[in-house]
Amino acid sequence: EVQLLESGGNLVQPGGSLRLSCAASGFTFDSHAMSWVRQAPGKGLDWVSTISGSASYTYYADSVKGRFTVSRDNSKNTVYLQMNSLRVEDTAVFYCARARTADGRRDYFDYWGQGTLVAVSS
Amino acid sequence: SYVLTLPPSVSVAPGKTASITCGGDNIGGKSVHWYQQKPGQAPVLVIFYDTDRPSGIPERFSGSNSGNTATLTISRVEAGDEADYYCQVWDSSRDHWVFGGGTKLTVL
Repeated sequence: EVQLLESGGNLVQPGGSLRLSCAASGFTFDSHAMSWVRQAPGKGLDWVSTISGSASYTYYADSVKGRFTVSRDNSKNTVYLQMNSLRVEDTAVFYCARARTADGRRDYFDYWGQGTLVAVSS
Repeated sequence: SYVLTLPPSVSVAPGKTASITCGGDNIGGKSVHWYQQKPGQAPVLVIFYDTDRPSGIPERFSGSNSGNTATLTISRVEAGDEADYYCQVWDSSRDHWVFGGGTKLTVL
């Protein structure tokens, strides 16, 4: 059974940093690109970042480029999202999602975690 | 950037058919994926590559895509179908994944 478990969400002040983790199980981890998708309170889904299965390629939404860094440790079946210079508008539930292929491009997200809440406030 | 447009809300009576449209410039040339999200839950994939259903998704869910509009159709709507629905595509010009703003389906 595919499982994705996010952790690391917390309350942080504007300008602060946070690292999210997503532990995966139940599938061959490096055969799938992994993505982060966020959802602000009462709002829709917002793609944040994707990393290919081999970690050779990373992609970012314009709103987070230069502030967020996605990485993965295939030996630990875990994907990370390092978030720096956090802003109030980054407040959201962050979901980890699996893409169908190792490349991820043109793909859909076939499995999702339950999400972790990041709140940015002073 | 590529924009996907959905109606904010759609209402349908139980047993009837609901159609949720997703508009985008020449979206027919892209692959469209649909997700269902119920309150407090993670999204669930209901249609991929325009028309395919994942295992476990009822046949009542179907999709189409042509021209500037993709459509998610839910036949014989049930109370349990009440949820937010999102369409998603990959924007090849920017290597970005794009979601539409979402449609709230209300079962009357």
